[in-house]
Amino acid sequence: AQSVTQLGSHVSVSEGALVLLRCNYSSSVPPYLFWYVQYPNQGLQLLLKYTSAATLVKGINGFEAEFKKSETSFHLTKPSAHMSDAAEYFCAVTADRGSTLGRLYFGRGTQLTVWP
Amino acid sequence: GAGVSQSPSNKVTEKGKDVELRCDPISGHTALYWYRQRLGQGLEFLIYFQGNSAPDKSGLPSDRFSAERTGESVSTLTIQRTQQEDSAVYLCASSFRASTEAFFGQGTRLTVV
Repeated sequence: AQSVTQLGSHVSVSEGALVLLRCNYSSSVPPYLFWYVQYPNQGLQLLLKYTSAATLVKGINGFEAEFKKSETSFHLTKPSAHMSDAAEYFCAVTADRGSTLGRLYFGRGTQLTVWP
Repeated sequence: GAGVSQSPSNKVTEKGKDVELRCDPISGHTALYWYRQRLGQGLEFLIYFQGNSAPDKSGLPSDRFSAERTGESVSTLTIQRTQQEDSAVYLCASSFRASTEAFFGQGTRLTVV
């Protein structure tokens, strides 16, 4: 089975500062990895995904994430935070085979606060 | 439709009543998920349907919760004898097939009074 750990339930940064949201995964087979964002009172929206092509993945709103197999990590970054980035971020993992039928497993989420 | 549709968007019910929440997935999506999100909390997995396979019900919190899906279309989540702790946003998501990204609906906000 797969699992995801998001380190830090809350992250605060100043506007213009680097954003780093951490995600580590566990998977017995090569994983597919995703980051989602949830703005207040909305559903989840896909930010970016890794599906075994390029290890550095670029997403919407200037976010990117790098798949590091040796570290089993898929951390989300953005060079310069904007006030509009304040939201909840979820990391998710799945795999293309196994008894779990390709189910997505989500982390517990990280709330990003951006200070002016 | 263009996206995952959930109805109702808001539901207020009295403790002890049964409720049904509906999810219309994106056409052609074989996989469908239900999640619960309590205020200020993360996603709590409830159930996963994938094609004609037996659903993964491992997340249902009690036998008061059940869900059905007709083929690869509409799904209904039923909560019987609702309790105040059932108050939450219930999110539905669908994906084209297993192991692909999920697309989420806007959720149903359930309030049990």
